[in-house]
Amino acid sequence: GAVVSQHPSRVICKSGTSVKIECRSLDFQATTMFWYRQFPKQSLMLMATSNEGSKATYEQGVEKDKFLINHASLTLSTLTVTSAHPEDSSFYICSAIAGAGQETQYFGPGTRLLVL
Amino acid sequence: GENVGLHLPTLSVQEGDNSIINCAYSNSASDYFIWYKQESGKGPQFIIDIRSNMDKRQGQRVTVLLNKTVKHLSLQIAATQPGDSAVYFCAEKGGSARQLTFGSGTQLTVLP
Repeated sequence: GAVVSQHPSRVICKSGTSVKIECRSLDFQATTMFWYRQFPKQSLMLMATSNEGSKATYEQGVEKDKFLINHASLTLSTLTVTSAHPEDSSFYICSAIAGAGQETQYFGPGTRLLVL
Repeated sequence: GENVGLHLPTLSVQEGDNSIINCAYSNSASDYFIWYKQESGKGPQFIIDIRSNMDKRQGQRVTVLLNKTVKHLSLQIAATQPGDSAVYFCAEKGGSARQLTFGSGTQLTVLP
């Protein structure tokens, strides 16, 4: 149980284009999902908290107009990197909590983004 | 555990030996702690968790110890195997907060 998937697993795009990453909870309903970014040999950095049916809460320093988050259903959250630039190249990971009162975050396999 | 540093601390152990990975956390109000394992190119995988009303919890081949006095968390892996080679992160959460704060991670390498 508690499986989280991400799609795509890796993506290469040209500078200036937008990229959408999907995060799905496969066997549970996720009221809250989180989006992280991880640079090589570094820890996970929380970007935003995504709540189903409401606006995402962004961490300080994360541009909400650049990283668009949509959590339209209890099993799907999307992160769109708009007008991507080479410095946006990173490993993007989502996680999900299985319902109110639960604490354990289950992570997706991550999406490797390379912006040329 | 602050997300700091441009390199990961490393720990090398011989196959079959026990491993101890340490983590210092920063928030004395944190009451829930998790250890994750992350293999190269993959997302973090839940290993074991512990609440602040406990000081020890055991799983399969793993034990987590919590010392709230000195804000220290450790993960012990018994009879370390090559498949245990990965980066291990501790994470903490306090009170009603839903977000986790991750430590900087430790790269465990199991030598044959």
